[in-house]
Amino acid sequence: AQSVTQLGSHVSVSEGALVLLRCNYSSSVPPYLFWYVQYPNQGLQLLLKYTTGATLVKGINGFEAEFKKSETSFHLTKPSAHMSDAAEYFCAAENSGGSNYKLTFGKGTLLTVNP
Amino acid sequence: GAGVSQSPRYKVAKRGQDVALRCDPISGHVSLFWYQQALGQGPEFLTYFQNEAQLDKSGLPSDRFFAERPEGSVSTLKIQRTQQEDSAVYLCASSFWLDSSNQPQHFGDGTRLSIL
Repeated sequence: AQSVTQLGSHVSVSEGALVLLRCNYSSSVPPYLFWYVQYPNQGLQLLLKYTTGATLVKGINGFEAEFKKSETSFHLTKPSAHMSDAAEYFCAAENSGGSNYKLTFGKGTLLTVNP
Repeated sequence: GAGVSQSPRYKVAKRGQDVALRCDPISGHVSLFWYQQALGQGPEFLTYFQNEAQLDKSGLPSDRFFAERPEGSVSTLKIQRTQQEDSAVYLCASSFWLDSSNQPQHFGDGTRLSIL
C-alpha cells in the first residue's frame, strides 16, 4: 500500500529564508504527487502537482517542488519565506495506475515563519 | 456555489447519538471523496463516489459509518452510535473526474465533529 512520509512535523524559518519541506513516497511505480496547504479551520488548498513530464513543477505563491524518482522524493521549496506562508503543509500521493483514486497523505509539516 | 460546501461547520454530539454530515460538491463534479482528519494528523481516506455509485468504501472504520449520494450530487456521511474516537474533522472533496492528473480534488472547509 502507498505511504507518504514527511520528515519533520514542525519547521521554523525566518522571514526571507529558504523554505524546504520534505516528502517521500513508498510505491515502486511513481504516483501522482501533490502538495496542499491548510490554514487554521480551513480545508486543503492545492499548491502544486506532479503527474508526468517536467520534474520541476511550479505552483502558487512562489512554491515549487522537484520530483526525483531515484530518491522517491517530492520536496517542496520556496526561496524566500513570507509571514503569510505560516500554515500546515501536506504531501499527498495518488496511484497513477488508474485503479485507485484516493489520496494518501503524509502527517503534515507545520511551518512557522519568524519575523 | 463556487466551492465545495460542508455543513454544519461544527457539530457537538453526545456519545451514542447519530450524526449526519452534508457535502455539496462543485457543480458538475462527477467524483466525491470523504476523508477523516484526526487532530494533528493528515487526512485519511474514507470513501468515494462516481456520480451516485459508491466505488470504494474501504476506508470506513466500522459499520457505524455510512455514506450516500443518491442523486449524484449532494452527499451525506452518517455516523451511528457515535464514539469518542469519532471526534475529528471530516473533509469532503470533489473533482471533475476520478483521476487527479488533470483535475485535482477540491476540498471543503470540513465539519469538526466533537463527541462528548
